[in-house]
Parts: sequence; structure tokens; C-alpha cells
Amino acid sequence: QKEVEQNSGPLSVPEGAIASLNCTYSDRVSQSFFWYRQYSGKSPELIMSIYSNGDKEDGRFTAQLNKASQYVSLLIRDSQPSDSATYLCAVMGTSSGSARQLTFGSGTQLTVLP
Amino acid sequence: DTGVSQDPRHKITKRGQNVTFRCDPISEHNRLYWYRQTLGQGPEFLTYFQNEAQLEKSRLLSDRFSAERPKGSFSTLEIQRTEQGDSAMYLCASSRATDTQYFGPGTRLTVL
Repeated sequence: QKEVEQNSGPLSVPEGAIASLNCTYSDRVSQSFFWYRQYSGKSPELIMSIYSNGDKEDGRFTAQLNKASQYVSLLIRDSQPSDSATYLCAVMGTSSGSARQLTFGSGTQLTVLP
Repeated sequence: DTGVSQDPRHKITKRGQNVTFRCDPISEHNRLYWYRQTLGQGPEFLTYFQNEAQLEKSRLLSDRFSAERPKGSFSTLEIQRTEQGDSAMYLCASSRATDTQYFGPGTRLTVL
């Protein structure tokens, strides 16, 4: 079992819709969670971090964390074509790795259709 | 703050050659990380520095890989005797005491 799992997609949504991206992690030790956006050929760009159970909102983005279910999600409201990218879920701190390293999922490819 | 910078952005080399990459972190970030990313995968952790001390190394980091961070500023990652399997994007990230890591643009390595 992978430590961080994401649906690879591709996920397609129409412009203006809500895009929902999901991520599960296997290690209950993990305490910090991040979403990065990565455009093709570019490096990951931080969108949000979340540390506590519940929702965290930043503009059109909402991250949700449920530690009991070991589940993290990212909602993108009013999706725009410029949101088309690969979204990477990252978890910090696992039993098998460094407390400081990020363990990434394989990413979900999102396409927002005009 | 200027962001994390990496040099070169692209490197093409022949199998068996040595290559060295440089990373300049965001100023005042005392933590520096190296990751490797192959097509269709998320980045994989390679190594981590706090100031000049290399605190963690992944099992992925074979003996052909070495990283340094003299004086706790910029860092270099050297790959000796490159193999075709080393072809990847090499990413550097930096952070302060908080957890949030900011990535540089990466160095894309192609080994022929």
C-alpha cells in the first residue's frame, strides 16, 4: 500500500464548477498536510497547508482534513481553465521516513473545460 | 523574498559522466531539501539539510549521489557515473522552522 494515494484522474470539470480532489494517507503519525499545484513541465507550487481537523479556506480553495479517516481533500470553487494542472497531495512525517520529508501522492490531473 | 533558484535548468549528459546541480534557497531559510521526480510520479525525497548539517538521506540516495551545503547557504547535488535511470527532474526546496517547503524551478537531467 502506498503511503499517500490519490486518484490519478484525469478529472474533467466544466468552467465554473467545483472540482473535488481527494487524498488518503496510511500513517497516523503524519501531522502536516499540503496541496501543491504543478503545471506541465514546471515545479510544484504550494496552494495550501492544513494541520487540524476541519476545513481551511483560502480564496477559491478549501482544504479539508479528517485525521480519524486519514483523508485530505481539496475543493476548488468556480474552477477556471487556468486551474488545469496536476494537484499533488503531500504529507509530512511518516513512520518510515524523516519527520521533515514530504511524501507525495502521484497527483491528480485536473482539466477545466471552457 | 526571491524564490528558490536552481542551476542549470536543463542538463543533458552521456552515461558515465558526472553532473553537479546547484540550489540557492530563499534567504534566511535554514532548511534545504532535495527531491527527484520522474514522469507521472510525485516528487521523492532524497536528502535534507538543516543549516550545513545533512540530517537525513533517503534509501533512494545511492553511493553515486552526494550532497553538500557548505556554510549553510547554497547546496550542491552531485551524481557520479550517471545512468539512464537517473534521468529525472531534480527539485530543491527550502523552508524556515515552519513546515512549509517552497520549491525551486528544478533541474531536468537527461542521461543519454
